[in-house]
Amino acid sequence: SQQGEEDPQALSIQEGENATMNCSYKTSINNLQWYRQNSGRGLVHLILIRSNEREKHSGRLRVTLDTSKKSSSLLITASRAADTASYFCATAKEGSQGNLIFGKGTKLSVKP
Amino acid sequence: DAGVIQSPRHEVTEMGQEVTLRCKPISGHDYLFWYRQTMMRGLELLIYFNNNVPIDDSGMPEDRFSAKMPNASFSTLKIQPSEPRDSAVYFCASSRLAINYNEQFFGPGTRLTVL
Repeated sequence: SQQGEEDPQALSIQEGENATMNCSYKTSINNLQWYRQNSGRGLVHLILIRSNEREKHSGRLRVTLDTSKKSSSLLITASRAADTASYFCATAKEGSQGNLIFGKGTKLSVKP
Repeated sequence: DAGVIQSPRHEVTEMGQEVTLRCKPISGHDYLFWYRQTMMRGLELLIYFNNNVPIDDSGMPEDRFSAKMPNASFSTLKIQPSEPRDSAVYFCASSRLAINYNEQFFGPGTRLTVL
């Protein structure tokens, strides 16, 4: 079964609005990562947050992690049409050897 | 660096045929992963290698699937015989292990269609 589950499954917003995606997971983790996948392409790493961190920023991206609730959120501010893609969270379980478990993703559509 | 290279990019074959997917990881990376992506099941980890040694193949669907990594710069995923339900996009990814698990770099994928 998937470790991470993203919510919502699909999100449609207007350019300039903020987009928030959530991820829940089940076991203790070492870190949580977010990836983006454009249609027909491979996944691209966006940001990594370690289990002892609560918030991280990278450009227009803001990630939060709540280990007590086993959840994370990805916020994209001032969205652009080019942000249209699927976004996946991936968790590295404690004690695992480098492998990640991916959720099913949130499909984001940003309309110009 | 050219990134992770996969070939072929598209493969159309008939049921029962053997299919071989190829991957060249990023130089210096010590982990290699094979994934399968479908609309129904999402992204599934099939198998991964560390320093050319298979670590976990529990995601391999059945004996029809096999993977090898003869050296640090090449890996294959073979399906024999192929079935229509194997139709999916297959991704290869590589990473270099750090203390807190580095990011994975994905190839462009191979879109497999089994008729």
